[in-house]
Amino acid sequence: AAGVIQSPRHLIKEKRETATLKCYPIPRHDTVYWYQQGPGQDPQFLISFYEKMQSDKGSIPDRFSAQQFSDYHSELNMSSLELGDSALYFCASSLGASGRVNTQYFGPGTRLTVL
Amino acid sequence: AQTVTQSQPEMSVQEAETVTLSCTYDTSESDYYLFWYKQPPSRQMILVIRQEAYKQQNATENRFSVNFQKAAKSFSLKISDSQLGDAAMYFCAYTVNRDDKIIFGKGTRLHILP
Repeated sequence: AAGVIQSPRHLIKEKRETATLKCYPIPRHDTVYWYQQGPGQDPQFLISFYEKMQSDKGSIPDRFSAQQFSDYHSELNMSSLELGDSALYFCASSLGASGRVNTQYFGPGTRLTVL
Repeated sequence: AQTVTQSQPEMSVQEAETVTLSCTYDTSESDYYLFWYKQPPSRQMILVIRQEAYKQQNATENRFSVNFQKAAKSFSLKISDSQLGDAAMYFCAYTVNRDDKIIFGKGTRLHILP
């Protein structure tokens, strides 16, 4: 079965540079979530989109922005990178049908290293 | 605020034995969802098991089962017949509404001893 695709898998940037992370949800999934997992930490929610509209926002820095496109893929844009942004960034997708909670399926993550 | 607490940072179990990972949570909601995710060294987040709070029956998935105690706000994971491939970080997690974010505990690192 198709899974969530994230690209790139690894990314190395310098401080103050910009990075763009991409997420391609499971086909037919219309909801995308972004999480950040620092070294030795649990994943922390950043932001989510449902049907191309932002649905929830967590502790996402103002330097970060994200959007979901018409084909439901999502991009996380990170500017003025700081050393503390080094982390594993997960994208998850779910089918936001009406009714009960739908399981979020996680992608493999993008490992961002800021030097 | 909703919180998820895993009181065991690390655990070890002999291969083929049974181990139980503990999790407690705090919420004022009556309808919510609980999960256990596994994160092996590859760092992939893999859903192990899911429990709907409105269901009294404990969820099971092959060798994995949960003990869901709603009144006590407890959600433990039991792994039977432990295998080397079960070695991973296990996160207990919680969510409330449809399309809502997942809140994770700090994780329990499980070692399997051959």
